[in-house]
Amino acid sequence: QVQLVESGGGVVQPGRSLRLSCAASGFMFSDYGMHWVRQAPGKGLEWVALISHDGNNKYYADSVKGRFTISRDNSENTLYLQMNSPRTEDTAVYSCAKQGLHLEGDYWGQGTLVTVSS
Amino acid sequence: DIVMTQTPLSLSVTPGQPASISCRSSQSLLHSDGKTYLCWYLRKPGQSPQLLIYEVSRRFSGVPDRFSGSGSGTDFTLKISRVGAEDVGVYYCMQDTQLPLTFGAGTKVEIK
Repeated sequence: QVQLVESGGGVVQPGRSLRLSCAASGFMFSDYGMHWVRQAPGKGLEWVALISHDGNNKYYADSVKGRFTISRDNSENTLYLQMNSPRTEDTAVYSCAKQGLHLEGDYWGQGTLVTVSS
Repeated sequence: DIVMTQTPLSLSVTPGQPASISCRSSQSLLHSDGKTYLCWYLRKPGQSPQLLIYEVSRRFSGVPDRFSGSGSGTDFTLKISRVGAEDVGVYYCMQDTQLPLTFGAGTKVEIK
């Protein structure tokens, strides 16, 4: 069965860096695009970024463009989100999701909490 | 960006009774390929979101047939024919016609 397990969350100071990981199993990772989606405390879901199956195409929400970088290692079945210059408003649970037939995420991980605070 | 508006924000349902959630988009979700890309998710307490419906009305693998989706253009509905205790959680609509993907605010469904 599809499993997505995020890690790397924690407390980070504004302006520092943090890298999130998403370990995938149960499907052919290299065949599918992958998303990062976040949910701030008490707020709704916000799409963050999408990477194509081969890593050649990357798309970002305006709120993170130029600060966050999505990447993947298909040999390790792992998705990454490099968070540079995080802001307090980036505090959220970050989840990875496997891309389905179109752009939707058909399977999601449980998420990892990132708290940006001094 | 496409804005998704969900109503109601909360719903209290008697077990075995039907429930309906509406979702409206700020522009048509009809894609140039002729399909309409509107999904529904359920986030049960303590769990990750699970895909229920994609392309307006197609049930995802393993989703019970008491869940159905309908609509076109900018107006969409999720219906649960008979709500059970296992259906409690927050339901979200999401458009995947174009990036950025955008979500409704969520509808919290509880059992009376």
